[in-house]
Amino acid sequence: DIVMTQTPLSLSVTPGQPASLSCMSSQSLLHSDGKTLLYWYLQRPGQSPQLLIYEVSSRFSGVPDRFSGSGSGTDFTLKISRVEAEDVGVYYCMQGIHLPYTFGQGTKLEIK
Amino acid sequence: EVQLVESGGGLVQPGGSLRLSCAASGFTFSSYWMHWVRQAPGKGLVWVSRINSDGSDRRCADSVKGRFTISRDNAKNTLHLQMNSLRAEDTAVYYCVRRTGILGATFDYWGHGTLVTVSS
Repeated sequence: DIVMTQTPLSLSVTPGQPASLSCMSSQSLLHSDGKTLLYWYLQRPGQSPQLLIYEVSSRFSGVPDRFSGSGSGTDFTLKISRVEAEDVGVYYCMQGIHLPYTFGQGTKLEIK
Repeated sequence: EVQLVESGGGLVQPGGSLRLSCAASGFTFSSYWMHWVRQAPGKGLVWVSRINSDGSDRRCADSVKGRFTISRDNAKNTLHLQMNSLRAEDTAVYYCVRRTGILGATFDYWGHGTLVTVSS
């Protein structure tokens, strides 16, 4: 199974400041069709997860442009340019190239 | 509006069975691959199973293989997860998830989840 490793496991950020979350995979997530199958999901407290970013860097519909994804191969980053109170929750990266699909442990974002 | 509504969770003894259902609405259910993802209390997300659009291809995690079966009824817009030989470690919230796109794991809609508790 592909192991997804997220760092840090927790993050406390002042509103208006940037945040950077990292995710590493134990194998390349580059598919033969050229797409890299790495996703970011946010689970707000008490809610179901929601899709933020698909295929490394594409923002899902309705996701604010302060969220951006980057990376390639096995190293990926989710950046929040200016953290807002509503960004609180646990961020998960996930690989979708090989079954079983696997998630990282999650990065818990808190507001200072 | 896309909606996924799970039901069927509850308290069951070890070794028992449950059948989860997910009622889908607001989209052409028969066109989408569907998945189950679970989350144990206070823990992270774990992929459980998936089924293709016509139900002919089903896959599941090794941890549930031989015990859980995913199925769908496209005429009734419903996804199921039959869970047998339940263990304490199966205790979790089970989410029904829609996948969009033609490959990968773009899970664009998630249900609210249904809690399964396996305990004597």
